[in-house]
Amino acid sequence: GAGVSQSPSNKVTEKGKDVELRCDPISGHTALYWYRQSLGQGLEFLIYFQGNSAPDKSGLPSDRFSAERTGGSVSTLTIQRTQQEDSAVYLCASSSGRNTEAFFGQGTRLTVV
Amino acid sequence: GNSVTQMEGPVTLSEEAFLTINCTYTATGYPSLFWYVQYPGEGLQLLLKATKADDKGSNKGFEATYRKETTSFHLEKGSVQVSDSAVYFCALSPTGGGNKLTFGTGTQLKVEL
Repeated sequence: GAGVSQSPSNKVTEKGKDVELRCDPISGHTALYWYRQSLGQGLEFLIYFQGNSAPDKSGLPSDRFSAERTGGSVSTLTIQRTQQEDSAVYLCASSSGRNTEAFFGQGTRLTVV
Repeated sequence: GNSVTQMEGPVTLSEEAFLTINCTYTATGYPSLFWYVQYPGEGLQLLLKATKADDKGSNKGFEATYRKETTSFHLEKGSVQVSDSAVYFCALSPTGGGNKLTFGTGTQLKVEL
């Protein structure tokens, strides 16, 4: 596609439920990143994919968070047993290589009630 | 660890005023430095970058110079426009870190007629 696409744009979920957030990177981009933007913590790195593998998962805040990428394209970030502190905007970015410009999606705003 | 500190906003300026948004960083080695901009309703966009000391990044009339001696990367524009109203994020990528970015908290700029 023309840009990085994320869905849904907004998600409201009840505490304790699982959620899945989707990212469609720019076609042909091998590198994909997830970030989280929250009021208390600013913008934080979560995980980096190169192709389908994730050489850097150091930013995932707990084992309730996981992500996968299939076919070197779409990525899904899953949050299990959501907590109120998970409320944030989740941003996805992709780049054609590890050191080339990253293009960001508009994010998914997650609200846990 | 790495960190980025930028001036808190919001910053309100009249059109054609001079803009400075301060940014300082803490990192080992030789990080790359970035300014990203987020216009209302849009995703993060790379504004400019510098990859080594004394480099000057520039784009759309904005400039920032990588100052290793003061660990700073201040953003400047000589004459702002209403269309520059946005949130500006300073960020760094560690040596060899690709797009694993550490962001500042963001500075909201509002330009009025």
